[in-house]
This record gives sequence, structure tokens and C-alpha cells, in this order.
Amino acid sequence: QVQLVQSGSELKKPGASVKVSCKASGYTFTTYAMNWVRQAPGQGLEWMGWINTNTGNPTYAQGFTGRFVFSLDTSVSTAYLQISSLKAEDTAVYYCARHSNSWWGDYWGQGTLVTVSS
Amino acid sequence: EIVLTQSPATLSLSPGERATLSCRASQSGFLAWYQQKPGQAPRLLIYDASNRATGIPARFSGSGSGTDFTLTISSLEPEDFAVYYCQHRTNWPPTWTFGQGTKVEIK
Repeated sequence: QVQLVQSGSELKKPGASVKVSCKASGYTFTTYAMNWVRQAPGQGLEWMGWINTNTGNPTYAQGFTGRFVFSLDTSVSTAYLQISSLKAEDTAVYYCARHSNSWWGDYWGQGTLVTVSS
Repeated sequence: EIVLTQSPATLSLSPGERATLSCRASQSGFLAWYQQKPGQAPRLLIYDASNRATGIPARFSGSGSGTDFTLTISSLEPEDFAVYYCQHRTNWPPTWTFGQGTKVEIK
């Protein structure tokens, strides 16, 4: 069965960096693109962008350029989200979500809570 | 920038009642609905406006086209009380936009 398993919660200081992983299983990793979605505490869902798992080409949504980097390690079927120069407002749960055949989010990781606090 | 407006913000209903959720988009396109329960990831319910995702019960249905869409839950079960998000998708390259959510709570 398809599973996306994300890395555990992180507590970081402002200015630090964090790398969240999303390990896929149950399907051929390079067949479906991967999205990243942010959810701040008590707030709605915010799409960050997606990465083509076949070419490695990322697409970033407005507001997620510069400090946010999507990457892959196809040898271990894993997508990564790296955030640098962390700010308090980056505190959120970050989800990976697979693109379905029709480009919707059919499978989601369990989410990774990133807390930025001094 | 595409804006999705969901209404109402909160819907207070009893089990067995019918729920009707609305989503209006600032531009026409493709639409999906997700359910999210506290502490859980969103779950895809409806895609391409009216197609139920795998394993979704028949009490969930979607309708609409263009810029106006509706999610209907025909008879609320206890497990249906949750937050529902609509999502717009552009054709190519695919970009996503989420609505602000409708909370369906027990009356």
C-alpha cells in the first residue's frame, strides 16, 4: 500500500535551518510528483509547491521562494524540504502530498511539526 | 492570484442531517474537496468537482462547474464532523490553492 512517512518534530532557533524528509513506499517513486503543504497552528492549508520526482525540477508557490528548497534522493524514494534562516512564523506542520494521476493530493504524509523558538 | 471563498465558515448540524458546503473560485478551473480531522493529514474526498476518491462513502457528493462548487454530505455520520477544504488546481503547470475551510461541528 502507498505510504508517505515523514520525519519527526523539530525544535529550532530563529536563523537555523531544518530539513524535513518524506519517504515514499508502495509505488514507483519517480512516477508521481510530490507537493509540500504548510499549516500554521490553527490555520488553513497553504500550498508551497511541488517537485517533479522524475527530473528533480521544483516549482515554488508565491511566498516560498528563496529560503525554501525541495530536493530528492530517488535511491531511497525520499523527498526533502529544507528551510533556511528560520523565523517564528515558519512554525507550522509541513505535509508532503503525492500528486495523483489527475494532479490532486491522493496520499499525504502524517505531517512534521517544525517549531521555531528562541 | 486565485482566491477560493468557502461558506459558511462553520456549520452546526446534528448526526443524520444533510450538510451543504459551498466554494466559490475567483477563476474557473478544476476543484477538489478534502476532509481534515484534528491532528490528522487532509484526506482527498472529491476530485474534478464530482468524482469520489477511492474508499470515500457514497454519502459524500460534489457538484458544480466554472467558479461555483458544492460538497454535500447526505446524512452526517459522527465521523464526518471535521474541517473541509476546497482546492483549486490550474491545468499546467499544476498549481494549487486552498480555501479557508468550513468546520462542520456537532449541534
